[in-house]
Amino acid sequence: GENVEQHPSTLSVQEGDSAVIKCTYSDSASNYFPWYKQELGKRPQLIIDIRSNVGEKKDQRIAVTLNKTAKHFSLHITETQPEDSAVYFCAASPAGYNYGQNFVFGPGTRLSVLP
Amino acid sequence: DTGVSQDPRHKITKRGQNVTFRCDPISEHNRLYWYRQTLGQGPEFLTYFQNEAQLEKSRLLSDRFSAERPKGSFSTLEIQRTEQGDSAMYLCASPLGGDTGELFFGEGSRLTVL
Repeated sequence: GENVEQHPSTLSVQEGDSAVIKCTYSDSASNYFPWYKQELGKRPQLIIDIRSNVGEKKDQRIAVTLNKTAKHFSLHITETQPEDSAVYFCAASPAGYNYGQNFVFGPGTRLSVLP
Repeated sequence: DTGVSQDPRHKITKRGQNVTFRCDPISEHNRLYWYRQTLGQGPEFLTYFQNEAQLEKSRLLSDRFSAERPKGSFSTLEIQRTEQGDSAMYLCASPLGGDTGELFFGEGSRLTVL
């Protein structure tokens, strides 16, 4: 089955700097890759996702890139702010975006943005 | 309401006791997912319902776990004879559907087994 690895497990950046979180997946059939943000004591929330037919997607300060050949995808956050501090989870789905039972999540990256 | 509600938010129990969690999904959403999240890990799929039918169960769902969704509305997840390894956050989610793969998670029910 699918296996998702995520690095680093913790990341500290200064406010205003960029943060990059990388994930690798094992199943070449995976075609949907969401990123969720979970603040302390809160529910995971989708922040951005990408499908396998595109290589990059941007939404304001957040971008995701996908390299299908190498089977890895990355989250990029620019101009970080203290409110970006949270745990970020990547996920991969070999069955597409509409099959939550097939989402395999990574172990998470704890991002701390220092003022 | 516009979100997913879960109850209770926290449950502390002694090993061997039974516990039940309830999820009220987004109104009129046919599918409902249960995930488990242990400390320092991402959510792991447990089971899902299409209306009242339980269509898939993960290998993580041992015989001590049972989930129901009577009438295709709210769902319950019961754990019998709890073990310390059951300590986790149990998350319920409604897929928003359409052209989005977004899972709208509830705030979760945190279980601590002593």
